Amino acid sequence: NAGVTQTPKFQVLKTGQSMTLQCAQDMNHNSMYWYRQDPGMGLRLIYYSASEGTTDKGEVPNGYNVSRLNKREFSLRLESAAPSQTSVYFCASSDRQTYEQYFGPGTRLTVT
Amino acid sequence: RKEVEQDPGPFNVPEGATVAFNCTYSNSASQSFFWYRQDCRKEPKLLMSVYSSGNEDGRFTAQLNRASQYISLLIRDSKLSDSATYLCVVITTSGGSYIPTFGRGTSLIVHP
Repeated sequence: NAGVTQTPKFQVLKTGQSMTLQCAQDMNHNSMYWYRQDPGMGLRLIYYSASEGTTDKGEVPNGYNVSRLNKREFSLRLESAAPSQTSVYFCASSDRQTYEQYFGPGTRLTVT
Repeated sequence: RKEVEQDPGPFNVPEGATVAFNCTYSNSASQSFFWYRQDCRKEPKLLMSVYSSGNEDGRFTAQLNRASQYISLLIRDSKLSDSATYLCVVITTSGGSYIPTFGRGTSLIVHP
């Protein structure tokens, strides 16, 4: 079982460039999440998807869009990257019964 | 005031010591609680759920105090391998969805 996978692992962007972070899970979980983690800030929720076909904003959604492509996949898009979006991005999925979240290995993004 | 608060530490303890962390939350409607462990530059991993009656998993004990709105994690007989950041997570309902909020984490360093 792969669990939660994320691509890419590392990315460097110039200001204004766009990119999509991919996330997939094979645990048949209904809920999926995108977080960013900055030093001293902990994990902050960007967007979440409670089930296939639904997405909602979290604590820090500005500058991001998401797509829940199907039950397995949840992507995060940066339309016009800014240096403030330099961070580590984690995707997670959870079972609707237990709410236990399982995380992908993260994407380390630098915007110059 | 942040919804979920933790003392960032670091807690610096010798091997074999007992150490306890607390995590306070502000939303009394919060329903589910967890402790995660995060090693440097790695993804968070579920350590244990926190049940109302308290629960134990080997050297780890988690407790919930709904009246005072905090959860705790007790680690007995600390090992060098326990050195990590410990994150608490609180799940709160909002509009039919279950929203996770992470604390910023407590750093634990266990030394020989």
